[in-house]
Amino acid sequence: DTGVSQDPRHKITKRGQNVTFRCDPISEHNRLYWYRQTLGQGPEFLTYFQNEAQLEKSRLLSDRFSAERPKGSFSTLEIQRTEQGDSAMYLCASSLEGFRYGYTFGSGTRLTVV
Amino acid sequence: AQSVTQLDSQVPVFEEAPVELRCNYSSSVSVYLFWYVQYPNQGLQLLLKYLSGSTLVKGINGFEAEFNKSQTSFHLRKPSVHISDTAEYFCAVTRTTSGTYKYIFGTGTRLKVLA
Repeated sequence: DTGVSQDPRHKITKRGQNVTFRCDPISEHNRLYWYRQTLGQGPEFLTYFQNEAQLEKSRLLSDRFSAERPKGSFSTLEIQRTEQGDSAMYLCASSLEGFRYGYTFGSGTRLTVV
Repeated sequence: AQSVTQLDSQVPVFEEAPVELRCNYSSSVSVYLFWYVQYPNQGLQLLLKYLSGSTLVKGINGFEAEFNKSQTSFHLRKPSVHISDTAEYFCAVTRTTSGTYKYIFGTGTRLKVLA
């Protein structure tokens, strides 16, 4: 297992377009998280899955954002009608049940909205 | 609610010198504490964590941190830094009773090691 994978690494899109990012967690990890990181800031929590259930969503996650984790494996994060303010690094992380192990983060997807 | 303050946005230090990166947190409930490192265009890598027990925690790459409950601090230290330690360092907390275990991160400290 090579860790948490995110695809694509970089995405440039025009304002108003829809984008989708994918995250493949470590296979035995049942918890999956999405965070957003803007320039000069720490990552901010967006949403959390335990297996296939989305158990918590941040108020940062507007109606234009949706996340799924079908069958409790990979996850997708979709942004509809992108805005320039959506430009950020989107980070995925996974962890085992029982938090003692902390998270493993992916390398992130950098989104630029032009 | 929890919050994390990293007072130093940038810390320049010469190679082989010691360094301390400061982290203070605010929380009305007990928390777990973490330090992560982020190299350019990469995700975050766990350096060390405090969950319970000894307040002095040792992590990877020679880093250590001390949990001080009375001062609500969790400062990161390294006795002798290398050029390769140049990166951004983030302190984070999460509630011990949180079912989600979502992190609250600080704004980061950029460590620049000079030759």
